[in-house]
Amino acid sequence: EAQVTQNPRYLITVTGKKLTVTCSQNMNHEYMSWYRQDPGLGLRQIYYSMNVEVTDKGDVPEGYKVSRKEKRNFPLILESPSPNQTSLYFCASSPRTGFGNQPQHFGDGTRLSIL
Amino acid sequence: QQQVKQSPQSLIVQKGGISIINCAYENTAFDYFPWYQQFPGKGPALLIAIRPDVSEKKEGRFTISFNKSAKQFSLHIMDSQPGDSATYFCAASKSGGYNKLIFGAGTRLAVHP
Repeated sequence: EAQVTQNPRYLITVTGKKLTVTCSQNMNHEYMSWYRQDPGLGLRQIYYSMNVEVTDKGDVPEGYKVSRKEKRNFPLILESPSPNQTSLYFCASSPRTGFGNQPQHFGDGTRLSIL
Repeated sequence: QQQVKQSPQSLIVQKGGISIINCAYENTAFDYFPWYQQFPGKGPALLIAIRPDVSEKKEGRFTISFNKSAKQFSLHIMDSQPGDSATYFCAASKSGGYNKLIFGAGTRLAVHP
């Protein structure tokens, strides 16, 4: 089954304790991205990657890091989480970038609570 | 600055009625306008999308109406069903824009039996 898998699905942690949210897709997609979803703000892009070893900032990158060492994986790293990063996070992938606007496939989300 | 404005924030419709959600955009370079549907505990899933060379696109009970001059587009759900209860997001992107989607704030739709 084609899917984007995020782990963990839920996490409660404390300020300053480094955490990583993993994302893996089995569709051989080049493009992957991370979004955060907050009430009244919709989804906002944090980082995106057009292919292996190619990453770039989205609209709200502060406090986050990413890496793309393999095509299928795109982990989101919070080096020193703060309460304002409490949110619902989604990873997404699509077959290609640029012209064509391929639909994005989303994971089921990770709910992070930073105390 | 919110580039895609969506309304209403929430919507209650009776079964069999028509649900209408509206979006307005600012950037005239946008040329792809998808709607995503999200159920609780799930990620958004593409529902229907339109490009500005057409004024309307219909897929089953779902229709997008597009007004390029007004920079507005809307989702119409005909014969709304309780199973349509979900959050709907409009979005916009532009070709060559690294597939970056700009989302509206979302509309929570509840269809009552």
